[in-house]
Amino acid sequence: QQQVKQSPQSLIVQKGGIPIINCAYENTAFDYFPWYQQFPGKGPALLIAIRPDVSEKKEGRFTISFNKSAKQFSLHIMDSQPGDSATYFCAASKGDRDDKIIFGKGTRLHILP
Amino acid sequence: DADVTQTPRNRITKTGKRIMLECSQTKGHDRMYWYRQDPGLGLRLIYYSFDVKDINKGEISDGYSVSRQAQAKFSLSLESAIPNQTALYFCATSDLQAAAGESDTQYFGPGTRLTVL
Repeated sequence: QQQVKQSPQSLIVQKGGIPIINCAYENTAFDYFPWYQQFPGKGPALLIAIRPDVSEKKEGRFTISFNKSAKQFSLHIMDSQPGDSATYFCAASKGDRDDKIIFGKGTRLHILP
Repeated sequence: DADVTQTPRNRITKTGKRIMLECSQTKGHDRMYWYRQDPGLGLRLIYYSFDVKDINKGEISDGYSVSRQAQAKFSLSLESAIPNQTALYFCATSDLQAAAGESDTQYFGPGTRLTVL
């Protein structure tokens, strides 16, 4: 119940395409769903996050879509660029101050020039 | 993130050796974490600390120990390193004082690449 399942494990997309990374969770107590971006040789960094009271959130070319009934959320990257090539992690937490965050296993994204 | 530093950045050691990885932060955050990253396995939590007097085991604590020497310092020790502890290790912090949900935002250090021969 504490798991966050992420797919695909790796993804190759042509420049300008729209890569989509999916995550699913079981624990309905989760109420905060961030995405982290990690470039080679760096630590992960927060990219965008969503709360379950909205179905979509956009920040620049990055969009999170959230489906509460299906317990799924996804990251879409519009007009993808080679510089978006990175590993992406979804995550979930209950948002209460005594809990920790649960990460998906990550997706290695490569955008072809 | 320059506010979270890890030393060393790279380390090669031999089986059976004791090794310590250190983490320091200038963000003033209460909470600190140690993760390991392995290809295909993502980020797995080793230990976490919500304040100086609070230490908790994570998902994969066997073979590891930690010390929270101060609010700003959290070290990870491998008492007797073994080859399957070869991995990328990350320290992270989070801000208990942030808004609910955002208090879980993790700020990661640059990582330590550990190789156990």
